[in-house]
Amino acid sequence: AQSVAQPEDQVNVAEGNPLTVKCTYSVSGNPYLFWYVQYPNRGLQFLLKYITGDNLVKGSYGFEAEFNKSQTSFHLKKPSALVSDSALYFCAAPPLPARQLTFGSGTQLTVLP
Amino acid sequence: NAGVTQTPKFQVLKTGQSMTLQCAQDMNHEYMSWYRQDPGMGLRLIHYSVGAGITDQGEVPNGYNVSRSTTEDFPLRLLSAAPSQTSVYFCASSPSGTDPTPYEQYFGPGTRLTVT
Repeated sequence: AQSVAQPEDQVNVAEGNPLTVKCTYSVSGNPYLFWYVQYPNRGLQFLLKYITGDNLVKGSYGFEAEFNKSQTSFHLKKPSALVSDSALYFCAAPPLPARQLTFGSGTQLTVLP
Repeated sequence: NAGVTQTPKFQVLKTGQSMTLQCAQDMNHEYMSWYRQDPGMGLRLIHYSVGAGITDQGEVPNGYNVSRSTTEDFPLRLLSAAPSQTSVYFCASSPSGTDPTPYEQYFGPGTRLTVT
């Protein structure tokens, strides 16, 4: 089974600064990890996923995530934050063999102008 | 493509009433799911379906029923609404395939339900 945890409920960052949203995972095999974003009053949108291969995964809107097996982490990053990046971010993993997702509790990112 | 659509967007129910939340997708996806979103708890899986005629329970199935008579539609029924079912409900779908690795899910815009 796989599970994920997001240790921070809220992250604030100034516009133009790099941002990191943290996610740790617990797996019993090869991890499959996802990041989704939710803008206010909207459904979730897929950002990126890690299946295998390169530890640095690039996704939509300039986001990337770094898979670190030794630290069991999959942190979401962006080199330069925009005010429009302010949203709720979810890390997720499928409880294999099902395709459905188990979500973290979410991290509210606020980018300050 | 319209993607995943959900109706209604908002609903207020009284305790004990029943209703059906509609979900439809036009992407020919085999997999469909219902989640509820509550503050500080992320999204929790209610029911899911791996294809027409096949459904299964998720993490929090009590008080909800589903059916999957067609590939496109996956309605969620609240049998007797309770205040604890006040939440935002999301439907999602994902493609099938021979690849065993999981695919990303496509989410609808959500239904905000209040039970008084």
